[in-house]
Amino acid sequence: AQSVSQHNHHVILSEAASLELGCNYSYGGTVNLFWYVQYPGQHLQLLLKYFSGDPLVKGIKGFEAEFIKSKFSFNLRKPSVQWSDTAEYFCAVNVGTGNQFYFGTGTSLTVIP
Amino acid sequence: DAGITQSPRHKVTETGTPVTLRCHQTENHRYMYWYRQDPGHGLRLIHYSYGVKDTDKGEVSDGYSVSRSKTEDFLLTLESATSSQTSVYFCAIRAWGGNTEAFFGQGTRLTVV
Repeated sequence: AQSVSQHNHHVILSEAASLELGCNYSYGGTVNLFWYVQYPGQHLQLLLKYFSGDPLVKGIKGFEAEFIKSKFSFNLRKPSVQWSDTAEYFCAVNVGTGNQFYFGTGTSLTVIP
Repeated sequence: DAGITQSPRHKVTETGTPVTLRCHQTENHRYMYWYRQDPGHGLRLIHYSYGVKDTDKGEVSDGYSVSRSKTEDFLLTLESATSSQTSVYFCAIRAWGGNTEAFFGQGTRLTVV
């Protein structure tokens, strides 16, 4: 089965610091890649997605992610975090035209004002 | 936000009782999913549906059953609730096609005492 690994379980940053959250997946074929964000007490919302084309994708709120096929990675970045970015972040993979979405275990981000 | 409604939003039930959670969508999307979210485990797929009366198991399906008698509704039933099924349950929907993302409902917090 597909697996998704998020290496950072809990990250604490000060405002204006740069962010990079790691995501690796195990499937070698065609994949669709996603980052979702879950603010405290809320449901998951799509942050950004990659289907094909430019491996550097930009999402909402200044987030971006880079797909590196050779490394099976899709890391999330933001140059300067804000207190409002405090949330849990999930990487997800959908294999080709498959039905299932596989999620990582999530990374909890705390931004200190 | 996508038209997804989960009901109930909160429920406390006793061990051994059957429980049914409902997911209702207004988007006419083909795929519907049930996930559970637990600390340290991220989101784990319980069951999913790829059409009316077409369902399949996910990675943590034991103790759960589902039904989809019409496009808009996807029911998750805990046959005999156990304390290990205390969790937050999320429904998600996705349109037909390979390059589509999933949209999530607000979640149902279930406590089994």
